[in-house]
Amino acid sequence: QKEVEQNSGPLSVPEGAIASLNCTYSDRGSQSFFWYRQYSGKSPELIMFIYSNGDKEDGRFTAQLNKASQYVSLLIRDSQPSDSATYLCAVTKEGANNLFFGTGTRLTVIP
Amino acid sequence: DGGITQSPKYLFRKEGQNVTLSCEQNLNHDAMYWYRQDPGQGLRLIYYSQIVNDFQKGDIAEGYSVSREKKESFPLTVTSAQKNPTAFYLCASSIGTRTSGELFFGEGSRLTVL
Repeated sequence: QKEVEQNSGPLSVPEGAIASLNCTYSDRGSQSFFWYRQYSGKSPELIMFIYSNGDKEDGRFTAQLNKASQYVSLLIRDSQPSDSATYLCAVTKEGANNLFFGTGTRLTVIP
Repeated sequence: DGGITQSPKYLFRKEGQNVTLSCEQNLNHDAMYWYRQDPGQGLRLIYYSQIVNDFQKGDIAEGYSVSREKKESFPLTVTSAQKNPTAFYLCASSIGTRTSGELFFGEGSRLTVL
């Protein structure tokens, strides 16, 4: 079983809509949760992190964490064509010195 | 400007040759990492280093070697023992000796074996 699982997509949404990206993780000991955005041919950049159950909002982005269900999501409101990218979910675990990444979900926002 | 510099950006190699990818950072970060990215595979950890003169194997270290002689530098050698080296290689760093999860990435090196 993979540490972190994401639907590879592609996920297509019209401009202005809400994009919902989902991620599940296998280890209940996972502690911190991150969303990275990666444009085609470029390196990943951190856009959101969440440590506690519930929602965390930053501008048009909301990260949601449900530790009981081992589920973390990223909502992008008012999606823009510039949001078109691959979104990588990553988690840390107690005792581990690195991040575990999912395979990423490719999002396309259609003008 | 602070950041991570990887070179070369593109590299072509013949089978049986070793190649070394450079990674330099001026962020004064303690920890540095090498990831490999293949289509549909996400990022997989090759090696990481928390302090100078020390490094640890990641999930896919076979066929790779690293050194950490200076805090700023963490070069990766792809040896001829690596069976399928064509990939996008990413170097990253983080503050402190244990990752908080916030990684700063270089622009990557794309290696193609001919």
